[in-house]
Amino acid sequence: QSALTQPPSVSGSPGQSVTISCTGTSSDVGGYNRVSWYQQSPGTAPKVIIYEVTSRPSGVPDRFSGSRSGNTASLTFSGLQAEDEADYYCSSFSSSGSYVFGTGTKVTVL
Amino acid sequence: QVQLRQSGPGLVRPSQTLSLTCAISGDSVSTNSATWNWIRQSPSRGFEWLGRTYFRSKWYNEFAVSVKSRITVNPDTSKNQFSLQLNSVTPEDAAVYYCARNNNWSFDVWGQGTLVTVSS
Repeated sequence: QSALTQPPSVSGSPGQSVTISCTGTSSDVGGYNRVSWYQQSPGTAPKVIIYEVTSRPSGVPDRFSGSRSGNTASLTFSGLQAEDEADYYCSSFSSSGSYVFGTGTKVTVL
Repeated sequence: QVQLRQSGPGLVRPSQTLSLTCAISGDSVSTNSATWNWIRQSPSRGFEWLGRTYFRSKWYNEFAVSVKSRITVNPDTSKNQFSLQLNSVTPEDAAVYYCARNNNWSFDVWGQGTLVTVSS
């Protein structure tokens, strides 16, 4: 099972809009509405911020949004904030019945 | 509020068995609406889903192909917890191991993580 492909890093200034991509295949990202996104700060467990491609858990700011086009899912920050600096990972259910994760993206707020 | 609390040794000898437990509070291991998972994270392999246990009229266990021959995941309804056993470990199994609840196709509750070192 190959990992989903994410850019290693993205950066932006406070208030800027930033998007992270997550590319898989029709057997995972493109085949199911079961893509989720996680925020992880150093030394802590991941926290889900998007589930089922576009849904946000309660308590997650609405500046985070998810979308998908074909085999690529995206996480968008609409107005980057200093506290958004962290590592972000996508994940998808796959046709094998397992879950596959992305390679991770480090977000830096300039 | 659902919480998962992991326990188990952080050092395992090569060829021995890695054993971790995940105690659940605020939910039931026997729930029909979630699955209970083990995931690991290492610098070399990133995040890797290992397996899950869940109850849907009967118990099911499903595992990643990469570890299927070496892994056991068991629910313990009397203690409301579930466990991971990974046999015949090698240095490649060194990682931070997490237990996690899967709900709505996402991992919405995570344990605190256990750093496992494989060394003699």
